[in-house]
Amino acid sequence: RKEVEQDPGPFNVPEGATVAFNCTYSNSASQSFFWYRQDCRKEPKLLMSVYSSGNEDGRFTAQLNRASQYISLLIRDSKLSDSATYLCVVASGNTPLVFGKGTRLSVIA
Amino acid sequence: GAVVSQHPSWVICKSGTSVKIECRSLDFQATTMFWYRQFPKQSLMLMATSNEGSKATYEQGVEKDKFLINHASLTLSTLTVTSAHPEDSSFYICSARGTSGIGGYTFGSGTRLTVV
Repeated sequence: RKEVEQDPGPFNVPEGATVAFNCTYSNSASQSFFWYRQDCRKEPKLLMSVYSSGNEDGRFTAQLNRASQYISLLIRDSKLSDSATYLCVVASGNTPLVFGKGTRLSVIA
Repeated sequence: GAVVSQHPSWVICKSGTSVKIECRSLDFQATTMFWYRQFPKQSLMLMATSNEGSKATYEQGVEKDKFLINHASLTLSTLTVTSAHPEDSSFYICSARGTSGIGGYTFGSGTRLTVV
């Protein structure tokens, strides 16, 4: 079983739509959770950290369920500029980040 | 915030030659550098972890004699792909971490290597 699993997509949605991505992780000792965004041929950029209490940043909401080892990202009112690959990332202590393969999102006008 | 600079952004080289990629932490001291590789439509895979002044720790399946990592100073780490072959063509990216975890989640801009 892969350490971090995501549905690769692609998700093709119209502008204004709400879209949700899910991710599962296998290491129950994982302590830190993130969503990164990666544009084509670019480095990943931190979108937001994920906390058990859930957290929101504008149109983006992230949730963590430690019992199910499940992380989600919700994007509301999708914009064309949201088109990218979204990477689910997990870490334990000071170990390197472990990346999922990413979920590709295309927002269509 | 923590900034990591990586050069070159892209490089095309002939098979059999060596290529050096540099990763610098600009506003903090990077005690640890992580080197990743990403093939098309794949996730970032950790290649090696290097701590300043000591030998790098390579992940299983990564040849240490082919991918030479030097982390001689607190602001610079280099990855040299020796005797490159077309299958080494990939996106190489570094991440630097300082004391107290500073910069641990910031990446360089990546280097796209194409070996012809």
